[in-house]
Amino acid sequence: AQTVTQSQPEMSVQEAETVTLSCTYDTSESNYYLFWYKQPPSRQMILVIRQEAYKQQNATENRFSVNFQKAAKSFSLKISDSQLGDTAMYFCAFMNRGGSEKLVFGKGTKLTVNP
Amino acid sequence: GAVVSQHPSWVICKSGTSVKIECRSLDFQATTMFWYRQFPKQSLMLMATSNEGSKATYEQGVEKDKFLINHASLTLSTLTVTSAHPEDSSFYICSLRDPKYFGPGTRLTVL
Repeated sequence: AQTVTQSQPEMSVQEAETVTLSCTYDTSESNYYLFWYKQPPSRQMILVIRQEAYKQQNATENRFSVNFQKAAKSFSLKISDSQLGDTAMYFCAFMNRGGSEKLVFGKGTKLTVNP
Repeated sequence: GAVVSQHPSWVICKSGTSVKIECRSLDFQATTMFWYRQFPKQSLMLMATSNEGSKATYEQGVEKDKFLINHASLTLSTLTVTSAHPEDSSFYICSLRDPKYFGPGTRLTVL
């Protein structure tokens, strides 16, 4: 079974600075997807960024980028130029490609952006 | 606009009663939907996979007789919490097969 570990329960960052959230995972599969989700106080799950395991290039979406290290099974999220609206819970998630398409979530990191 | 809706957004019920939560796919035909439960300050845990026209597939440890799932059409899946108890109080979220699309969630409080 796959597991996803987020070792930072809480983090904080000053507005306009950069912060990196960590995620590691364990799987015996070779073909999979990794995701970062944002859950603001409204609790609506928002997909921030997606990485396909077979792609070596790290995904980027505007201020959000990932550092995907397949051999190390590491998938960190970097948020640049942090904004107050980035304050939220962030969940790392794994999906086995070609399987049941179930998502396995980490426990989450609560990020607070301070003015 | 929203791709997935849930109704109700918040429900309070008495212990022993049953509560039905609806999940609608507004833009896509959805043969598969997923139901998650999220306790306060915790992560999302997959409860079951809802399959249109067939029985749901439940995750280990989830009581299928307590959490009844009906996926009778390509746009609607329902989760019924039967004989609800205070420990069933939680946030219930549905999603489509495409991991981009989640419903806004339903907060269930059982008194």
